Amino acid sequence: DAKTTQPPSMDCAEGRAANLPCNHSTISGNEYVYWYRQIHSQGPQYIIHGLKNNETNEMASLIITEDRKSSTLILPHATLRDTAVYYCIVRVGYSNSGYALNFGKGTSLLVTP
Amino acid sequence: GAVVSQHPSRVICKSGTSVKIECRSLDFQATTMFWYRQFPKQSLMLMATSNEGSKATYEQGVEKDKFLINHASLTLSTLTVTSAHPEDSSFYICSARDRGMSTNTEAFFGQGTRLTVV
Repeated sequence: DAKTTQPPSMDCAEGRAANLPCNHSTISGNEYVYWYRQIHSQGPQYIIHGLKNNETNEMASLIITEDRKSSTLILPHATLRDTAVYYCIVRVGYSNSGYALNFGKGTSLLVTP
Repeated sequence: GAVVSQHPSRVICKSGTSVKIECRSLDFQATTMFWYRQFPKQSLMLMATSNEGSKATYEQGVEKDKFLINHASLTLSTLTVTSAHPEDSSFYICSARDRGMSTNTEAFFGQGTRLTVV
């Protein structure tokens, strides 16, 4: 799997957009970019994933650069409940047997009032 | 989204005893489940891959005789920590993927089990 690089921590004011960057310069053509988050003492929660097109769902938007070497997760209106560690993971799509996810250190996002 | 349930959420046990943690997929079937361990202020580390009806695959450095995994059905995998010691105290998390979904879909995680060995 391609390695990812994320800033260790970020702050964001409540109500503002949180933009979390991720570098994955060694990504290969069949690898997807997945984002998960982990709120303290809970299991990880899936947020979004994409291959090369930008994606949006009810939680967030994922912007992938044209060369696919980096991406940005956008939480459009951050709330205090969005305080968590955010993990960017690059992985081939699951096979029928399913692949585990390799979690790096992630970005600890603190949303402040 | 699909639901994965772990039980118990917290457990305290005496050193030398065994503890069983259950991971259930509540509304889907999972041929494969994964067990992770997370120490304080660290990231999740994969321990083993649990395959329904066959032996689990353990990551390097994880003792298979200490961490017994059973995946007897498509909705249940169990992790038993045998002869637990204080250094086994950790946050254990399982995940599963819906076998009925197409490739590249997301995995679902349980809420985790906080094990404290005293």
